[in-house]
Amino acid sequence: AQKITQTQPGMFVQEKEAVTLDCTYDTSDQSYGLFWYKQPSSGEMIFLIYQGSYDEQNATEGRYSLNFQKARKSANLVISASQLGDSAMYFCAMREGPPGGGGNKLTFGTGTQLKVEL
Amino acid sequence: GAGVSQSPSNKVTEKGKDVELRCDPISGHTALYWYRQSLGQGLEFLIYFQGNSAPDKSGLPSDRFSAERTGGSVSTLTIQRTQQEDSAVYLCASSLLAKNQPQHFGDGTRLSIL
Repeated sequence: AQKITQTQPGMFVQEKEAVTLDCTYDTSDQSYGLFWYKQPSSGEMIFLIYQGSYDEQNATEGRYSLNFQKARKSANLVISASQLGDSAMYFCAMREGPPGGGGNKLTFGTGTQLKVEL
Repeated sequence: GAGVSQSPSNKVTEKGKDVELRCDPISGHTALYWYRQSLGQGLEFLIYFQGNSAPDKSGLPSDRFSAERTGGSVSTLTIQRTQQEDSAVYLCASSLLAKNQPQHFGDGTRLSIL
């Protein structure tokens, strides 16, 4: 079974609109972390936002917020007020277990290609 | 620079040759990771180093792949007897070890096997 599932291979959004990128995950661990990364066409991986499994509040970082629904095992990324520079591939990733020891590697989804249009 | 540095940025080699890819992590980051990204795909974990602990090699696809980290800093990923399916972008990342600390990635090495 896939540990991270991103069901939207491609998404379009109008500039200044909000967009939600879906991510569901599968783990039996109680302690885990969820990350979103952005990869523009230039190739670098840019960290956007983090949600810990025990965090009670949904994470927010500027225009990025994470809609964390633990019971449904979903961690959707919401980008508000989209900009042309947001056009990129977006990856959801999970760290299973607490940090340290063997629990630090990330498992990535297959990504969602977002295109922001005028 | 302050970020993760990888070299070379591009490597083209013939099938059967050995290649070495280098990663210089962010100063002070105790954890170092290697991932592989094939064309149009997500990232695939290869190996993880943390301090003096034995590395987690569970993601290495075959015994042709090996990695070492000297002095707790620079790491080298070696692929022996390269095959065409080894063609990919190899990404290195480093991090601190706290639950909310992200992995910071280098720009990667694009490896092409002819």
